[in-house]
Amino acid sequence: EVQLVESGGVLVQPGGSLRLSCAASGFMFSSYWVHWVRQVPGKGLEWVARIKNDGSSTTYADSVKGRFTISRDNAKNTMYLQMNSLRDEDTAVYYCAKAQYDHSPLAYWGQGTLVTVSS
Amino acid sequence: EIVLTQSPGTLSLSPGERATLSCRASQSVISSYLAWYQQRPGQAPTLLMYGASSRATGIPDRFSGSGSATDFTLIITRVEAEDSAVYYCQQYGSSPWTFGQGSKVE
Repeated sequence: EVQLVESGGVLVQPGGSLRLSCAASGFMFSSYWVHWVRQVPGKGLEWVARIKNDGSSTTYADSVKGRFTISRDNAKNTMYLQMNSLRDEDTAVYYCAKAQYDHSPLAYWGQGTLVTVSS
Repeated sequence: EIVLTQSPGTLSLSPGERATLSCRASQSVISSYLAWYQQRPGQAPTLLMYGASSRATGIPDRFSGSGSATDFTLIITRVEAEDSAVYYCQQYGSSPWTFGQGSKVE
């Protein structure tokens, strides 16, 4: 069974840092691109970042570029999102999702982890 | 970036009725790299359609998609109670990937 399990979401102060994890199982993790998508509670979806299957290419939304870093460890079947200089507007549920290729839809999503940025 | 605008915002239907959801792009979507997702309350999104008109695995055939370039449509024939959800379109042809604001079917 395909599973993506996010973790690491907590309450953090503005300006702080946080690392989210996404643990994968049930499929060949090293063969898939993986993405982060976020959703402010009660609002729409916003794509955040993606990383190629071998980690050699990353892309970010302008809203997080220079503050967030996506990475992966294929030996541990895990993807990460390092979030620095957090702002109130980064408060959201963060989902990880997998895609087969560069231009592929997000075929499977995790259940999300809530990040709250507040003083 | 490509802006996706969905309409209507909310659609209220009775079981058995037809739902027509629209997604318009500010620029042409490359190779019809357009997907639709369903998000039920309290759940993560799930993939419904990709490539504008291909159903994802396990999606019933009452869901269909069509369109190209800047105009795309998701149709649900014979809506069922379990179809109550928010539906999002997404383009994955041009970076940054973008989503529409969602259409709620109730």
